[in-house]
This record gives sequence, structure tokens and C-alpha cells, in this order.
Amino acid sequence: SQQGEEDPQALSIQEGENATMNCSYKTSINNLQWYRQNSGRGLVHLILIRSNEREKHSGRLRVTLDTSKKSSSLLITASRAADTASYFCANQAGTALIFGKGTTLSVSS
Amino acid sequence: DTGVSQNPRHKITKRGQNVTFRCDPISEHNRLYWYRQTLGQGPEFLTYFQNEAQLEKSRLLSDRFSAERPKGSFSTLEIQRTEQGDSAMYLCASSSVRSTGASPSYEQYFGPGTRLTVT
Repeated sequence: SQQGEEDPQALSIQEGENATMNCSYKTSINNLQWYRQNSGRGLVHLILIRSNEREKHSGRLRVTLDTSKKSSSLLITASRAADTASYFCANQAGTALIFGKGTTLSVSS
Repeated sequence: DTGVSQNPRHKITKRGQNVTFRCDPISEHNRLYWYRQTLGQGPEFLTYFQNEAQLEKSRLLSDRFSAERPKGSFSTLEIQRTEQGDSAMYLCASSSVRSTGASPSYEQYFGPGTRLTVT
């Protein structure tokens, strides 16, 4: 399988804390994307980082990319209960997205 | 609502029956994708269309699966002779091809999915 891996598989934090999720992938990429999925629903695109970028910010999100290690991380700062969801990284080499298995984040108030 | 829509949202069928799902993409998007997601896993790519042409199919797409996008707008995914292993969430996504420099990057917009249960 070409699926990547997210780490950790599950993460529980308190509101206001930061959450860091890591992702490793196997193939060369054009870009890497992060998606959020609320329970039983479709995926929502969060942020895209191109292969020639090393860091990107969007609101409370910070993504890093290390192509030499084939890894990425997603940092959510000042988390909120509404951030509770599963988070997936997806690398894109061709047209299809290759998703990891996801990190389930639980933020308690 | 101008997002991606999928119908039905839930489908329960008996093994051996045929099922068909529909996806309506965002109207100006020329690419449409189908993914399958099982419990505890990330989505896995099945196939994609650019306009009405089916350009790529995954090895996951057995000969019991067929997808169409006849007019380059909505798409259907049919599963014939369903098996219990087909139980999953079937997700549709669409995107608009836009290129920036030498590395085109596509954000995909997902629908809510169709949850299939084969009994």
C-alpha cells in the first residue's frame, strides 16, 4: 500500500492547548494536503503545502514539510472543542490523493 | 448549497444486489474523483474523470465496479453483485485544475459520502 502513516493515531488535549500531528509518506510528491473529517462526514480541506515549500500558516494552523524525510506536521494552536475531528494528510504525486490513516483529535473543554 | 452533493446518503443492500450512487460536483469543476473509506482508515482512491473522460482507475476498482460521467457534470458509481467487503463510505470529490508554475496543485472538495452496508 502507498498509504502514509499519521502519528499519533489518537490525541486528547484540553481546550487552549496546542495539538501536533505528524505524517509520513512513501512516494515523491507535488504537494501535501491536510484534511479534517468530522464523525461520519465528508472531508474538509485545511491547507496545502507544495513540495518546494517548507512551512505554511493559515490562521491557527501551521504546516511543515520535510521532503528529505518524507514527513509533514500539522500544528493546531489554541485548540477549541470544535477542533475535535479526525485529521488526514494526503500526498499528491499525480492526480489522486494518497491519504494516511488519520489522527483522531479530541479536545475537551 | 453549491458544494458537492451525494445521493443517497445511506444504502443498505443484500449481498448480490446491484447499487448505484450519484455525485453532483461543484458546477465549475472539471475533475471528479471517487474514493472509498473503510472504518478507521483514510480514503482510498478509486477513479477520476476530467470532464467526461475517465482517465485513471485504481486496482481497487474491480470489474464489478463501473463509473460514468456522461455529460461531464454528475457522475454515477455502480457496484454489481455486491459483497460484504464492499461495505464502506463512498466519497466523491471535485476540483478545478489550476496550475501554478511547474507543479499543478489541486485542492479537492469532498461530498458528505454515501455509506453502503451490505448484509
